[in-house]
Amino acid sequence: NAGVIQTPRHKVTGKGQEATLWCEPISGHSAVFWYRQTIVQGLEFLTYFRNQAPIDDSGMPKERFSAQMPNQSHSTLKIQSTQPQDSAVYLCASSRQNYAEQFFGPGTRLTVL
Amino acid sequence: GQQVQQSPASLVLQEGENAELQCNFSSTATQLQWFYQSPGGSLVSLLSNPSGTKHTGRLTSTTVTKERRSSLHISSSQTTDSGTYLCAIDRSSGSWQLIFGSGTQLTVMP
Repeated sequence: NAGVIQTPRHKVTGKGQEATLWCEPISGHSAVFWYRQTIVQGLEFLTYFRNQAPIDDSGMPKERFSAQMPNQSHSTLKIQSTQPQDSAVYLCASSRQNYAEQFFGPGTRLTVL
Repeated sequence: GQQVQQSPASLVLQEGENAELQCNFSSTATQLQWFYQSPGGSLVSLLSNPSGTKHTGRLTSTTVTKERRSSLHISSSQTTDSGTYLCAIDRSSGSWQLIFGSGTQLTVMP
């Protein structure tokens, strides 16, 4: 069991560029979550999918952020026109069923210059 | 909405001492998880314990749901236990979204 896989581990973009982050959940897990972590705000929920369907995106900044889960083996988080305040560690997690433990990937550190 | 408070914010121990970390939350939780994060590292799930007492290795978590509090006890601390311990609760009953506390930074001195 490889755990949750996230790529890339580090990404540097220029202001205004697009960033796409990838997540491969643990095989057999039905829910996928995206969070981000900064020193100032701590850990914040962004969005989650269950059985590939978007369930709750209440934490997503509305204008430039989008997430998809085209199949059960991967999810993507896309940030358009990145801004310096988007710099953070973006964490993906997966869980097996209702109220089960969430298991986190190593994160993608996004730096927007 | 759900709020999570952790205490102490930081804790320094000598190797071999025990640690007691606290987590208080504002609303009933159906999901509660303790995580460990090393500096610059990823989140490692330690225990999922929405109620009662759970043990794993040197860790014991006790959650009293009615009093909206949970504790994490680390026995015989080791230098490798140093890092940040985070408590996370579901945002509301039936929600899968986790709300995190700001963590307890534990330093274990040799």
